[in-house]
Amino acid sequence: RKEVEQDPGPFNVPEGATVAFNCTYSNSASQSFFWYRQDCRKEPKLLMSVYSSGNEDGRFTAQLNRASQYISLLIRDSKLSDSATYLCVVNKKSNFGNEKLTFGTGTRLTIIP
Amino acid sequence: DGGITQSPKYLFRKEGQNVTLSCEQNLNHDAMYWYRQDPGQGLRLIYYSQIVNDFQKGDIAEGYSVSREKKESFPLTVTSAQKNPTAFYLCASKEQGGGYGYTFGSGTRLTVV
Repeated sequence: RKEVEQDPGPFNVPEGATVAFNCTYSNSASQSFFWYRQDCRKEPKLLMSVYSSGNEDGRFTAQLNRASQYISLLIRDSKLSDSATYLCVVNKKSNFGNEKLTFGTGTRLTIIP
Repeated sequence: DGGITQSPKYLFRKEGQNVTLSCEQNLNHDAMYWYRQDPGQGLRLIYYSQIVNDFQKGDIAEGYSVSREKKESFPLTVTSAQKNPTAFYLCASKEQGGGYGYTFGSGTRLTVV
């Protein structure tokens, strides 16, 4: 089983629609959670961190369910500029204090005019 | 402006040659990472370093080597032992501790010719 699994997509969504991405992680010791956005042939950029209490940034809402080891991202009123690949990312710290991120394979989103 | 710089942006290598990819950051981050991304796959961790003069193997370290002689610099050498080196290589850095995400460089696209 992969450490981080995402909906493979692609998602083709009309402009203005709401779209939701899901992600599950296998390691219960994971400590920090993020959504990154990656445009074609570019580096990933941090979209938002994900907290158990849920967090919102404009049209974007992220949610974490530790019991189910499940992370979600909701995009409301989608814009053409939201077209990108969305990466679910999990951070784990070892007993020695080493931290490393594990990435999902990403979900490709295309917003259709 | 603080950031992380990778060079070159594009690199062509003949089979059997070693090449070194540069990664420099002026963010004063302690931790630095090298990832590889192949089409349709997530990022995979090659090597990481939490502190100067120390580094650890990631999930796919075979055929690669690194050094961390300065806090700002974490070069990656792709050796001739790496059988399939054509990929997009991403360097990242992070402040130690906290739940903050990573900052990525713009990447180096390596092609074996």
